[in-house]
Amino acid sequence: QKEVEQNSGPLSVPEGAIASLNCTYSDRGSQSFFWYRQYSGKSPELIMFIYSNGDKEDGRFTAQLNKASQYVSLLIRDSQPSDSATYLCAVSSGSARQLTFGSGTQLTVLP
Amino acid sequence: KAGVTQTPRYLIKTRGQQVTLSCSPISGHRSVSWYQQTPGQGLQFLFEYFSETQRNKGNFPGRFSGRQFSNSRSEMNVSTLELGDSALYLCASSSTPGLAGGEQFFGPGTRLTVL
Repeated sequence: QKEVEQNSGPLSVPEGAIASLNCTYSDRGSQSFFWYRQYSGKSPELIMFIYSNGDKEDGRFTAQLNKASQYVSLLIRDSQPSDSATYLCAVSSGSARQLTFGSGTQLTVLP
Repeated sequence: KAGVTQTPRYLIKTRGQQVTLSCSPISGHRSVSWYQQTPGQGLQFLFEYFSETQRNKGNFPGRFSGRQFSNSRSEMNVSTLELGDSALYLCASSSTPGLAGGEQFFGPGTRLTVL
C-alpha cells in the first residue's frame, strides 16, 4: 500500500523564521510530488509541485526532492502569520492523477 | 479563468438516502478526480474520470459511483448513506497531463452530513 508520511505537528515558528515541512513516501515508482496548503474550513490550494531531484524555488517557497531517500520537503522563508495552515504532501505515480496524501502538518506562525 | 465549482456546498441527509454531488472543472480541463476528506482518514481518493471514462478507482465500496459528461462536468453518487459517509467531498480538475502527471486544482467542496 502506498503511504505518505508527514509529522502532524503542530509546528510553531516565529514570524520571519524559516518553516521546514517534511514528507516521506513509500512507493519508489512515485514521480510527481505536490504541496498543498489548506486553511481551516477551506479546500486544499496547490502551492508547488516538483518532479526532479533537487530544489525548486517559487517566491518564499522552496520544494526539495530526494528520490533516493524517498523524501520531499517544503521550506517557507520569512514565514508570515498568513502562512498558518495545514500543509499537505501529495504523491502520484506516472501519469496517474490519483494523489496519495499525507495526513498534513499543521503550521502556526507566531506574530 | 473560473475555478472548479461544486454544488451544493452543504447537504444534510439521513441514513439510507442517496445523494448526488456535482462538479464543474476548470474550462479546458478534461480530468476530474473526487476525494473524500474526514478528520480521521484525511484525504482519500475516490475515483477519476477522463473523457467520460473512469480511469482509476480508490478503495471505496460500490455505493460510491460517478460519471462524467461530454462537457467534462462530473457527478458522484452515494447510495444507502451511512453515518460514516459524513465528510467533505472534494473535486479536483486537471488538464491532460504529461508523463509526470498534471497538477490538480480543488473545488470548494461539498460538506455532507448524514444524520
